[in-house]
Amino acid sequence: EAGVVQSPRYKIIEKKQPVAFWCNPISGHNTLYWYRQNLGQGPELLIRYENEEAVDDSQLPKDRFSAERLKGVDSTLKIQPAELGDSAVYLCASSRWPIGDTGETQYFGPGTRLLVL
Amino acid sequence: GQQLNQSPQSMFIQEGEDVSMNCTSSSIFNTWLWYKQDPGEGPVLLIALYKAGELTSNGRLTAQFGITRKDSFLNISASIPSDVGIYFCAGHGSGGSNYKLTFGKGTLLTVNP
Repeated sequence: EAGVVQSPRYKIIEKKQPVAFWCNPISGHNTLYWYRQNLGQGPELLIRYENEEAVDDSQLPKDRFSAERLKGVDSTLKIQPAELGDSAVYLCASSRWPIGDTGETQYFGPGTRLLVL
Repeated sequence: GQQLNQSPQSMFIQEGEDVSMNCTSSSIFNTWLWYKQDPGEGPVLLIALYKAGELTSNGRLTAQFGITRKDSFLNISASIPSDVGIYFCAGHGSGGSNYKLTFGKGTLLTVNP
């Protein structure tokens, strides 16, 4: 079974430029998560999708960040315009169902390493 | 919001030694998870704990869900060079925070062959 796929793996851009990250979750996984991981920190949730619906985007900086999950499969996370402080690793994860108390496991992709100059 | 304190921040040990790391939470958790992250990769789940007092092993790894539900520890026995990496604890509570994982800041483990 293929794991969570993310692209690109690395991205270097200048500040004020737009950038987009793509995620393909594990087949059959209805729940998709985007996390941001700053250097020396653990991942922090940005947004969670159940199928195509964003059910928790409370941590997403909506002035410059946007996300979509058309057709409830692949997802794209966009930053426009990027700022220096956006340099981080952006991780995508998926699970069959919301983790809750169901014992579901989140599977993480390898992440996209963003450097904003 | 929920906060996790993970310690130690880093450890440097000799191959063959045992190692222990722990996490404490400011609030009660229903689930504790331990992940390992290798350089350039995403976190990989090592052990999941779902009940207070639960003790679970995965090979040389053993983790426990604290009886107060506010702490957990991970032990690695007889460390080997491939144990090198960053270990994260994570957990989630109940109610509105039920589906949101909170991660610790990680423990960087270095194993000297």
